[in-house]
Amino acid sequence: DGGITQSPKYLFRKEGQNVTLSCEQNLNHDAMYWYRQDPGQGLRLIYYSQIVNDFQKGDIAEGYSVSREKKESFPLTVTSAQKNPTAFYLCASSTRATKNIQYFGAGTRLSVL
Amino acid sequence: AQTVTQSQPEMSVQEAETVTLSCTYDTSENNYYLFWYKQPPSRQMILVIRQEAYKQQNATENRFSVNFQKAAKSFSLKISDSQLGDTAMYFCAFLNSGGYQKVTFGTGTKLQVIP
Repeated sequence: DGGITQSPKYLFRKEGQNVTLSCEQNLNHDAMYWYRQDPGQGLRLIYYSQIVNDFQKGDIAEGYSVSREKKESFPLTVTSAQKNPTAFYLCASSTRATKNIQYFGAGTRLSVL
Repeated sequence: AQTVTQSQPEMSVQEAETVTLSCTYDTSENNYYLFWYKQPPSRQMILVIRQEAYKQQNATENRFSVNFQKAAKSFSLKISDSQLGDTAMYFCAFLNSGGYQKVTFGTGTKLQVIP
C-alpha cells in the first residue's frame, strides 16, 4: 500500500540532545513537508521541500534541520537549539499530479525528559 | 504572506443535524487552492474537500460541501446529516497555485457530534 510512514511514534529527548524524526513516502510525491502541532495553534510549517536536494524554511524553522537526499525520504532533526520541542510532529507529501492534496503520516509525539 | 483564520475554536452539533464551520483567508493572489482537512481523535489527518479558486462552483463530497465566496475570501464547510464519526478537529488550508508549494493552515475547529 502506498503511503507515508513516520517513525518512531513516540520519542523522548534528553537535555542538549539532537533527535531525528523519520519520514518516508512511497507515493512518488515531489513535495514533502514537516509540521509542528501544538494545542490551540493548528499546524505550523517547519520546513518543506519540492525536489531532491532542495528545501525551504517554513514559519518556525529555528532549532530544526532537514535533508532531502532521496525523493522518498525527508528526515527532520530537532536540535538542542530548539528549547521547547515537546509537540506532535506531522509529515506530509503532495504532488501537482494529484491536485496538491496533502497526504499525512500518523505523526510522532516528541517529549522532553 | 497568506493567513487563514478559523474563528470557531469549538462547536457541537446534534447527530443528523447540519453544521457549518467558518474559514476566512487573506491573500493577494488570484489563483489558489483551498482545502478542509479532518483530524479525528486518532490524529490521522485526511482530506475532506478541495476547492480551486478559479472554479465558481462550490465543491461537494457526499455530506460535505463548501460555500466559497472569493470576493469575501470566505470558505466555509457545511456538514449535513452529522454522524458520530464526524467528531474531529477540522482545519482549513490555503495553497498558492504557483511558485513554492507552501501550505498555510488555520488553527482548527474542534467539532463534537452529540448523540
